[in-house]
Amino acid sequence: DIQMTQSPSSVSASVGDKVTITCRAHQGVSRWLAWYQQKPGKAPYLLIYAASILHSGVPSRFSGSGSGTDFTLTISSLQPEDFATYYCQQTNIFPPTFGPGTRVDIK
Amino acid sequence: QVQLQESGPGLVKPSQTLSLTCTVSGDSISNWSYYWNWIRQPAGKPLEWIGRIYASGRITYNPSLMSRVSISGDTAKNQFSLRLTSVTATDTAVYYCARDRGDDDTVVLDYWGQGAQVTVSS
Repeated sequence: DIQMTQSPSSVSASVGDKVTITCRAHQGVSRWLAWYQQKPGKAPYLLIYAASILHSGVPSRFSGSGSGTDFTLTISSLQPEDFATYYCQQTNIFPPTFGPGTRVDIK
Repeated sequence: QVQLQESGPGLVKPSQTLSLTCTVSGDSISNWSYYWNWIRQPAGKPLEWIGRIYASGRITYNPSLMSRVSISGDTAKNQFSLRLTSVTATDTAVYYCARDRGDDDTVVLDYWGQGAQVTVSS
């Protein structure tokens, strides 16, 4: 299985801050990477797929980049509803695997 | 609006079989554009993909669970189901069903159910 790692494991930020989360795959996955947002007690919500394509309805303050083994999720201006845990997932090498998550909480 | 809803027992005894059903509304599991997946998340741990079923009946499992898991579909009821045999405490988790907009080679989960907590305990 492809191991996924994320950094940082948690970040404290304020409304309006720019937040960057990184994800690393232990072998190359081209651009086959997705990002999900999960709030406590809720199901994950797809934000981005194919490394940089925004899922329908996702605000443009979210963006993704990267290819191969290194990927980034950026929130350009953090909003109150963005405090959550974010997971990356490699999508094309079976079985698909998820990162351990990055929690974004209020400073 | 696509909606998925998990249902099934919340408590299962060790060595018994876990059974969950996902009821889909707003779409059809016979839709050849999508796959239908099961994923689980133990408390405080990352998500783990269990497997998926396609309209053709093709099913793919996570090799780590393949010996104990089966997924099936009921097109008349627009449901798909998960069975996991010989459960232990390590199978305690929130189980999610989800729609997958990927293809034969990719898994991208665009709509999820709310999740069902399943606890394995005597």
